[in-house]
Amino acid sequence: DTAVSQTPKYLVTQMGNDKSIKCEQNLGHDTMYWYKQDSKKFLKIMFSYNNKELIINETVPNRFSPKSPDKAHLNLHINSLELGDSAVYFCASSQEGTGRAGYTFGSGTRLTVV
Amino acid sequence: GDSVTQMEGPVTLSEEAFLTINCTYTATGYPSLFWYVQYPGEGLQLLLKATKADDKGSNKGFEATYRKETTSFHLEKGSVQVSDSAVYFCALGSGQAGTALIFGKGTTLSVSS
Repeated sequence: DTAVSQTPKYLVTQMGNDKSIKCEQNLGHDTMYWYKQDSKKFLKIMFSYNNKELIINETVPNRFSPKSPDKAHLNLHINSLELGDSAVYFCASSQEGTGRAGYTFGSGTRLTVV
Repeated sequence: GDSVTQMEGPVTLSEEAFLTINCTYTATGYPSLFWYVQYPGEGLQLLLKATKADDKGSNKGFEATYRKETTSFHLEKGSVQVSDSAVYFCALGSGQAGTALIFGKGTTLSVSS
């Protein structure tokens, strides 16, 4: 049973396309996150949702739009993809939204924009 | 704001060598501290954590002690194995609502036999 699952694992697409990445967690956690990992392995928070409510919205281009249909799912939609969007995107979840308990991460989606 | 600084790699060791990866933090409150490990092509896995000063987290032979006086949470292992080759991230959770884990830049460890 995968606790936090992301699909797809790999995504190769052309500039200008629109794509979505899906994330689901079966841990019963209230809070979910999207992180971006760049080519140097640096991890940066993008968004977080607590029970379908947007809590964190970092300085991210508005081409990125998260959507949370319920507290077990947090999807990431990206419009008009650019070369610089190429990265690994990680979904994570936590029992609460303070960071004290740590997160459970998905295995990542490697996005390559060509 | 809160931040985490960890030693830059790569760190290259022979099997059975002693490992230390330094991590220091700045925080206004009383954060929780974590070490995560990322094996090639995989996501991040929680390796160990500590939630208050003087706590020692340990797992799979790795240890780290939460030192408030030196604002540090250094990762150590007495005898590394080839299978420990991975990227290690130190992270801080502030404990404040509406905040996210803050990660260090990661340290790549390569262990050869």
